[in-house]
Amino acid sequence: DVKVTQSSRYLVKRTGEKVFLECVQDMDHENMFWYRQDPGLGLRLIYFSYDVKMKEKGDIPEGYSVSREKKERFSLILESASTNQTSMYLCASSIRPGTETPGYTFGSGTRLTVV
Amino acid sequence: KNEVEQSPQNLTAQEGEFITINCSYSVGISALHWLQQHPGGGIVSLFMLSSGKKKHGRLIATINIQEKHSSLHITASHPRDSAVYICAVSKGAAGNKLTFGGGTRVLVKP
Repeated sequence: DVKVTQSSRYLVKRTGEKVFLECVQDMDHENMFWYRQDPGLGLRLIYFSYDVKMKEKGDIPEGYSVSREKKERFSLILESASTNQTSMYLCASSIRPGTETPGYTFGSGTRLTVV
Repeated sequence: KNEVEQSPQNLTAQEGEFITINCSYSVGISALHWLQQHPGGGIVSLFMLSSGKKKHGRLIATINIQEKHSSLHITASHPRDSAVYICAVSKGAAGNKLTFGGGTRVLVKP
């Protein structure tokens, strides 16, 4: 079964820490995404990548960076964690547009709490 | 105004009832996606549509490109259908990123 795996289901970090969220997909997808999901705000795109070493800012990139050194792995980095980054983080991958196979696969999410 | 609007925000149904969730969008799209999220769970992609209608089990998704409108129907609803259903659109640009609706919280009572 194809999947997107996020390294942690729950994380608790302290303010100011550098935090790494890892995401791995086994579908050879070109596109990978990081979203955060907050009550009342829905899903918002942080960063995405459409190829190895390529990255694009999403709607809310401030305070985050990403790394994609290999096609299957997309990492989200919180440079200095703050309490307003407490959220559910979801990784996803997709094939390029224009195909009919299932578009998106999501990971199970990482619930991050910054104290 | 949001580019993707869903209605209703919340819906309660009795087991066995027919459920419809609506999604309207205001931008040109390459595809529309219906996603499902159970409480505390990850997100599952149900359908990706660019035209017409798709069916999977008790779920049916339709799209009207001219009207910029899509519906998700659940026939013979069951308590395990209780979840948040999210409509999202992709615009076909590099990266294929999604723009999301606010979601519809569905509760099916036994």
